[in-house]
Amino acid sequence: AQKITQTQPGMFVQEKEAVTLDCTYDTSDQSYGLFWYKQPSSGEMIFLIYQGSYDEQNATEGRYSLNFQKARKSANLVISASQLGDSAMYFCAMRGSGGSNYKLTFGKGTLLTVNP
Amino acid sequence: SAVISQKPSRDICQRGTSLTIQCQVDSQVTMMFWYRQQPGQSLTLIATANQGSEATYESGFVIDKFPISRPNLTFSTLTVSNMSPEDSSIYLCSVGRANEKLFFGSGTQLSVL
Repeated sequence: AQKITQTQPGMFVQEKEAVTLDCTYDTSDQSYGLFWYKQPSSGEMIFLIYQGSYDEQNATEGRYSLNFQKARKSANLVISASQLGDSAMYFCAMRGSGGSNYKLTFGKGTLLTVNP
Repeated sequence: SAVISQKPSRDICQRGTSLTIQCQVDSQVTMMFWYRQQPGQSLTLIATANQGSEATYESGFVIDKFPISRPNLTFSTLTVSNMSPEDSSIYLCSVGRANEKLFFGSGTQLSVL
């Protein structure tokens, strides 16, 4: 069974500062993928970044980077230069291997508020 | 990334009625999934929509309540049947290919009175 833990129900950050959202995971699969999604108040789920378990380098997508520490089973999202539009719910998710290759297991989410 | 159109974007329905949600993708995808997000909660997988065969439901979800169709590799529907206020949620379809990123539709916000 797979499990995603996001321990920060809410986070606050000042505009233009960086913020780290925590995510730890648990799986017995050797091959897996880790995702971060952003959900604004409109309800849509916006893909941000993906890290494969065999990727040696941390993933980056613009202002988003994923701090992947495999031995610690953590996949923290770093948002640099926060913007007011970054205020939203952020979900960490995992995809396993084999028959569960496509299924996503989600954490409970972190509500990020960017203050001006 | 795939372009995913989900309809309707929101609806308010009466108890006991049914609503069918559509998910259209601009390219063929191997797998399509349906998720539910209850108010203030995370996403829970309802089922995998299989092309040409019956959907695969997760524990706690049954075909009579959430019938799913997948007539081809670009389209799927989810019906929420005999609705009650407890069905008020956001319903999202998700698509992907093997070992690739998974994307979501814009979601359907359902309120049942």
